[in-house]
Amino acid sequence: DAKTTQPPSMDCAEGRAANLPCNHSTISGNEYVYWYRQIHSQGPQYIIHGLKNNETNEMASLIITEDRKSSTLILPHATLRDTAVYYCIVRVSTGGGADGLTFGKGTHLIIQP
Amino acid sequence: DTAVSQTPKYLVTQMGNDKSIKCEQNLGHDTMYWYKQDSKKFLKIMFSYNNKELIINETVPNRFSPKSPDKAHLNLHINSLELGDSAVYFCASSQAWDRVGPGPQHFGDGTRLSIL
Repeated sequence: DAKTTQPPSMDCAEGRAANLPCNHSTISGNEYVYWYRQIHSQGPQYIIHGLKNNETNEMASLIITEDRKSSTLILPHATLRDTAVYYCIVRVSTGGGADGLTFGKGTHLIIQP
Repeated sequence: DTAVSQTPKYLVTQMGNDKSIKCEQNLGHDTMYWYKQDSKKFLKIMFSYNNKELIINETVPNRFSPKSPDKAHLNLHINSLELGDSAVYFCASSQAWDRVGPGPQHFGDGTRLSIL
């Protein structure tokens, strides 16, 4: 799986949009971008994933650049409960979808009141 | 109604003992996983099972043995526990594909294993 680079930490004011960048410059055409987060003492929580089109769900939006070498996770109205470590993961499916995820160090997002 | 549930939540035991962690998912997924998160917070895949068949077996000591009685359950048995086994163990499950791509993995809340 392609390596990803994320800033180790970020701050965001409550109520503002949080924009978390991820660099995956060696991504291959058949690799997908996934975002997870881990709130303290809980299991990782799936947020969103995409291949090349931008995606939106009830939690967040995912913007993938046209060359697919980077992406941005957007939390539109951050709340204190969004404080967590956010992981950007690039994965290729082996076909059965049973591949394990490779978690890096992620970005520790701190929402300030 | 918890999607992926693990028991126990906490497990404190002596070195050398044998213990099991249970995992159940009610999402109807075909694939289940075990991950280990060490004291430095790195999450690593240990095993994955697809329809009760072992797919991934990372470099894990053979003291760790996963068992899948049916596709909704994946238990982790650990023999001769060592101090280095202290960690948080997470179970996860996924379906093969969704609209976008490989189905996302859904995680349990973890089992915190402490070896005395």
